[in-house]
Amino acid sequence: GAVVSQHPSRVICKSGTSVKIECRSLDFQATTMFWYRQFPKQSLMLMATSNEGSKATYEQGVEKDKFLINHASLTLSTLTVTSAHPEDSSFYICSAASTGPMGEQFFGPGTRLTVL
Amino acid sequence: GDSVTQMEGPVTLSEEAFLTINCTYTATGYPSLFWYVQYPGEGLQLLLKATKADDKGSNKGFEATYRKETTSFHLEKGSVQVSDSAVYFCALADSWGKLQFGAGTQVVVTP
Repeated sequence: GAVVSQHPSRVICKSGTSVKIECRSLDFQATTMFWYRQFPKQSLMLMATSNEGSKATYEQGVEKDKFLINHASLTLSTLTVTSAHPEDSSFYICSAASTGPMGEQFFGPGTRLTVL
Repeated sequence: GDSVTQMEGPVTLSEEAFLTINCTYTATGYPSLFWYVQYPGEGLQLLLKATKADDKGSNKGFEATYRKETTSFHLEKGSVQVSDSAVYFCALADSWGKLQFGAGTQVVVTP
């Protein structure tokens, strides 16, 4: 149980385009989802926390207009990278918790974004 | 702010060797501590956790003890296998449930 999927697993896009990444909890309802960014050989950095039905809370330094997060249902959260640029190229990982932010987080496999 | 420091990798060792990955933390309050493992091509998986001082987390032969006096949570395994090759992340959760990760330590186990 507690499976989290992400789609797509890899995406390559041109500079200036927008990319949407989906995060789904497949066998449980996730009241809270988290989005992380991981640079090569570095740690995961929390970007934002989203609760179903409410606005996401962004970490300091993360542009909320650049990284749009929607958590419209208890099983789906989306991250849209708007007007992507090469510096946005990274590995984006989501996690989902079934019992609010204090619950155990289950991680998706990640999405590799490459912006040309 | 809260932070986690873990030893740099890669750590290369032979099968059946003893593995230790050091992890220390700084935090206000009393965080929960975790070890996550990331196998090649897969997402992070929770390996073990400890929620209060002196707790020992264990799973799959791995152990770590929450040491408040040394602010440490070192990961150990007595006899590693090739299948233990992965990246290991130490992490803490603050009172809001937010996870703060260390940089990760790659472990390579050779036959």
